Amino acid sequence: QKEVEQNSGPLSVPEGAIASLNCTYSDRGSQSFFWYRQYSGKSPELIMFIYSNGDKEDGRFTAQLNKASQYVSLLIRDSQPSDSATYLCAVRGDRGSTLGRLYFGRGTQLTVWP
Amino acid sequence: NAGVTQTPKFQVLKTGQSMTLQCAQDMNHNSMYWYRQDPGMGLRLIYYSASEGTTDKGEVPNGYNVSRLNKREFSLRLESAAPSQTSVYFCASSEALRSIEQFFGPGTRLTVL
Repeated sequence: QKEVEQNSGPLSVPEGAIASLNCTYSDRGSQSFFWYRQYSGKSPELIMFIYSNGDKEDGRFTAQLNKASQYVSLLIRDSQPSDSATYLCAVRGDRGSTLGRLYFGRGTQLTVWP
Repeated sequence: NAGVTQTPKFQVLKTGQSMTLQCAQDMNHNSMYWYRQDPGMGLRLIYYSASEGTTDKGEVPNGYNVSRLNKREFSLRLESAAPSQTSVYFCASSEALRSIEQFFGPGTRLTVL
């Protein structure tokens, strides 16, 4: 069983600030990591995917992966009120019976206030 | 393209009743998934289908059955609903199990009284 833990939040930041969302995972053999965004009452949508140690940047979003520490984070720079949502960290099974299965954390609710 | 569609959007059942949640995708994806999302619990995989003709259990399969009717459609059946199955159910699809992105449907909000 893969455990995925997220800082419980909720997280509240002012517009223009950096929001930092954190996630740890239990399976040291995990290779693929995802961040999904979910607006209230809507379905999740993928915003970032990372599989190599280090940083991956996409616009205002940066995903950071440290496999030695089993830690994944998402930074949102210049936060906007439209970033207010729940952010779900997910780890994918990459072999055997877990192949393709996503294991989600409980999510961190982010509010960006004007 | 509609993407992933789910019916119904809302449903209220009494304990012991049965129902089937429908899911269809028009992206020619091979793999399809059913998740449930409970408050504060994230999403948990119920069943999935790697390709047409195959289905496998996920983390929380008890009380559910699935049918991969064809490549487009993947249904979830509750044979005897229980209050513990009150949840939001999401169907998702991806090109294959190893694909980067799963695409989610709009969800079905189910209440079991």
